[in-house]
Amino acid sequence: EPEVTQTPSHQVTQMGQEVILRCVPISNHLYFYWYRQILGQKVEFLVSFYNNEISEKSEIFDDQFSVERPDGSNFTLKIRSTKLEDSAMYFCASQRRQGFGIEQYFGPGTRLTVT
Amino acid sequence: RKEVEQDPGPFNVPEGATVAFNCTYSNSASQSFFWYRQDCRKEPKLLMSVYSSGNEDGRFTAQLNRASQYISLLIRDSKLSDSATYLCVVDMSNNAGNMLTFGGGTRLMVKP
Repeated sequence: EPEVTQTPSHQVTQMGQEVILRCVPISNHLYFYWYRQILGQKVEFLVSFYNNEISEKSEIFDDQFSVERPDGSNFTLKIRSTKLEDSAMYFCASQRRQGFGIEQYFGPGTRLTVT
Repeated sequence: RKEVEQDPGPFNVPEGATVAFNCTYSNSASQSFFWYRQDCRKEPKLLMSVYSSGNEDGRFTAQLNRASQYISLLIRDSKLSDSATYLCVVDMSNNAGNMLTFGGGTRLMVKP
């Protein structure tokens, strides 16, 4: 069964450093998402991406964040200058097509620890 | 302002029990509803979509009440492997943009 993959599984970085989190969505999916989950809190939407551009973003997704689909398979989330409060689990999700009731499938996540 | 609310639990039930979880959502225009399960420090895994007429998948039954903005999940004949956090998820996009809003989850512990 196809699945979303993410690398690395755990990233430790120092405050102020840039990090890039990588995702490989399911191959025939067209819509891509990033979510985050701070330990003990709920999963929060960050951004959605379709046809090489952002379709929606939350207030969390400020100028420090960017997303890119550099080739036909990878989908990346970059945080330019990490802060302590960026420490969280980051999940990538993909979706076959847009519409009501269309399911999103999540990758295993990258645990980001900012020290 | 909470948008998807769930009782955090935990619900401690014996194997074989029937257990029900409820969820309320704030956006009456929402069109898509889901239940996901999340094991400790793992990704959310889709359990089932929730349709207006209600739907069943094996031991799991989901119901939607649009008038009350209320979603439920019923688990029959609980198994030890059902122990997890159950996430109520609502698509609150204004279009069909599929921006999912998650509840805080209800923790279920099934005991032998």
